Amino acid sequence: AQKITQTQPGMFVQEKEAVTLDCTYDTSDPSYGLFWYKQPSSGEMIFLIYQGSYDQQNATEGRYSLNFQKARKSANLVISASQLGDSAMYFCAMRESPDSNYQLIWGAGTKLIIKP
Amino acid sequence: DTAVSQTPKYLVTQMGNDKSIKCEQNLGHDTMYWYKQDSKKFLKIMFSYNNKELIINETVPNRFSPKSPDKAHLNLHINSLELGDSAVYFCASSWGRQNTEAFFGQGTRLTVV
Repeated sequence: AQKITQTQPGMFVQEKEAVTLDCTYDTSDPSYGLFWYKQPSSGEMIFLIYQGSYDQQNATEGRYSLNFQKARKSANLVISASQLGDSAMYFCAMRESPDSNYQLIWGAGTKLIIKP
Repeated sequence: DTAVSQTPKYLVTQMGNDKSIKCEQNLGHDTMYWYKQDSKKFLKIMFSYNNKELIINETVPNRFSPKSPDKAHLNLHINSLELGDSAVYFCASSWGRQNTEAFFGQGTRLTVV
């Protein structure tokens, strides 16, 4: 079974609009971390934002925020006021317990295209 | 200063050859990883080392062999390259803890012809 599901293979969004990228996860571990990465066309992987399972507040980093709904096991990335440079692949990932050697488990990604 | 650097960035080689990709991190991290990203952009863990000790060894052909001479370096050697090995290979490093992000190298695009 998929541990990280990103249901949107691709999205088109008008510049300056807000965009929400969906991510749901599956774990029975009470302690885990959730990450979002951006991969522009140049290929590098850029860390965006982190949310811990015990964090009381949703994480925010500049224009990025994470809409963490623990009961629903979702960790959606919200980008406010989108810019052309936000066009990229976006990956959601989860890190579980020591038993898994802390490896990151990845979603399939969402390709976001910002239209001028 | 590049935090995680891997070389080469591009590698084009013929089937059957042996090649290596080098990775170095200057972040002082204790854990390093190799990932393979296929043509559909799916990222798959291959290996992980913690303080030079192999801790994750996913189902990868034994033609792939990682080597970690010290905790700042994790190299990937591939024997008898096949067409299906064509992909982007990423090196990454992190603290071996749950709540820390992994930092990635710029990737090596391997093309086997």
